[in-house]
Amino acid sequence: EAGVAQSPRYKIIEKRQSVAFWCNPISGHATLYWYQQILGQGPKLLIQFQNNGVVDDSQLPKDRFSAERLKGVDSTLKIQPAKLEDSAVYLCASSLVVMDEQYFGPGTRLTVT
Amino acid sequence: GENVEQHPSTLSVQEGDSAVIKCTYSDSASNYFPWYKQELGKRPQLIIDIRSNVGEKKDQRIAVTLNKTAKHFSLHITETQPEDSAVYFCAASGGRLIFGAGTRLAVHP
Repeated sequence: EAGVAQSPRYKIIEKRQSVAFWCNPISGHATLYWYQQILGQGPKLLIQFQNNGVVDDSQLPKDRFSAERLKGVDSTLKIQPAKLEDSAVYLCASSLVVMDEQYFGPGTRLTVT
Repeated sequence: GENVEQHPSTLSVQEGDSAVIKCTYSDSASNYFPWYKQELGKRPQLIIDIRSNVGEKKDQRIAVTLNKTAKHFSLHITETQPEDSAVYFCAASGGRLIFGAGTRLAVHP
């Protein structure tokens, strides 16, 4: 079974620039999550999709972050404009159903200078 | 808001000893409690999980206990090995998975 795929793996941008991350979940997984993991902390949920609908985006800074999951499969997370404090690893995860085991992708390490 | 507290933040043990990590949660609606292991530069991986209708679960050297009344759950690793060295995260979910801050476990040969 192929795992969760993410790209790019690394990204360095200057503050005020924009960036986008891509995620392809495990085939058949209806639920997709984006997490932000700041160095030395646990992952923090940014947004959760059930198929192509948003279930929870209460922790997403909507003035600069956006995410979509068109067709209920792949997802993109965008930051525009980036701030220094956005430097983190962005993890995508998927699960068959809500409150089931979540499988994480390798993450995208973002550095904002 | 919802919160998960995890202790200790660092734990150092000798190979063969046991390690215990404790977590408390605030949301009484939480009913799913997974534990993840994250090695340096790698993705979190599930090592064991427990649901609210179960008080204890074991998988070889790993066990998890849950006390819903006290809102406590714990991870127990017996006969620790150097390859157990990693950061361990507890989490609680009543719909949204909330992670603890992590415990850095070091197992010394």
